[in-house]
Amino acid sequence: LAKTTQPISMDSYEGQEVNITCSHNNIATNDYITWYQQFPSQGPRFIIQGYKTKVTNEVASLFIPADRKSSTLSLPRVSLSDTAVYYCLVGTDNNAGNMLTFGGGTRLMVKP
Amino acid sequence: GAVVSQHPSWVICKSGTSVKIECRSLDFQATTMFWYRQFPKQSLMLMATSNEGSKATYEQGVEKDKFLINHASLTLSTLTVTSAHPEDSSFYICSARAGGGGPDTQYFGPGTRLTVL
Repeated sequence: LAKTTQPISMDSYEGQEVNITCSHNNIATNDYITWYQQFPSQGPRFIIQGYKTKVTNEVASLFIPADRKSSTLSLPRVSLSDTAVYYCLVGTDNNAGNMLTFGGGTRLMVKP
Repeated sequence: GAVVSQHPSWVICKSGTSVKIECRSLDFQATTMFWYRQFPKQSLMLMATSNEGSKATYEQGVEKDKFLINHASLTLSTLTVTSAHPEDSSFYICSARAGGGGPDTQYFGPGTRLTVL
């Protein structure tokens, strides 16, 4: 299983763009990169998933360099409600069970 | 779409009793469901993988006789904490895998807070 490394915590202010980088040096060829958001006492919520280059949806963008050894979750113009823990996971669906392992996550604090 | 529910959302029980937690995929069929445990300020720890119609696969260190998992249908998995003790107090979260043959996207339930007195 590919291990991921993220900063433990980050601070930001409302309206700023936040970029959270995740390292996954031993990512496998078939692995996808998935980011989840978790609020206290709630289950993780799917944010975005990608394999290479750039993926964008209504809430975030995911940048993946050519070597895929890292990825960056970009949150545009954060608000107070974006304060949460963000998890980066790598894995694939190969019918071999759960290929997603949660690392420590990044605790984002958005300040007014 | 891809909604997963859990019931109950919280439960308080006395030491020695058993507690059942249900996990349902509401709008999709999930051949595989997963059970996690999360202690305060910590990450999610996978407890077991539950496949419909077969026995669950437990992670190392998780007692299968204490944490009974039943995945009787494509939309329901249950976790029973037997003879619960205070150290079993935790936040239990289930997830269900949607689709197949593609990237592993799991959808998580809202979690169940278990407090054992």
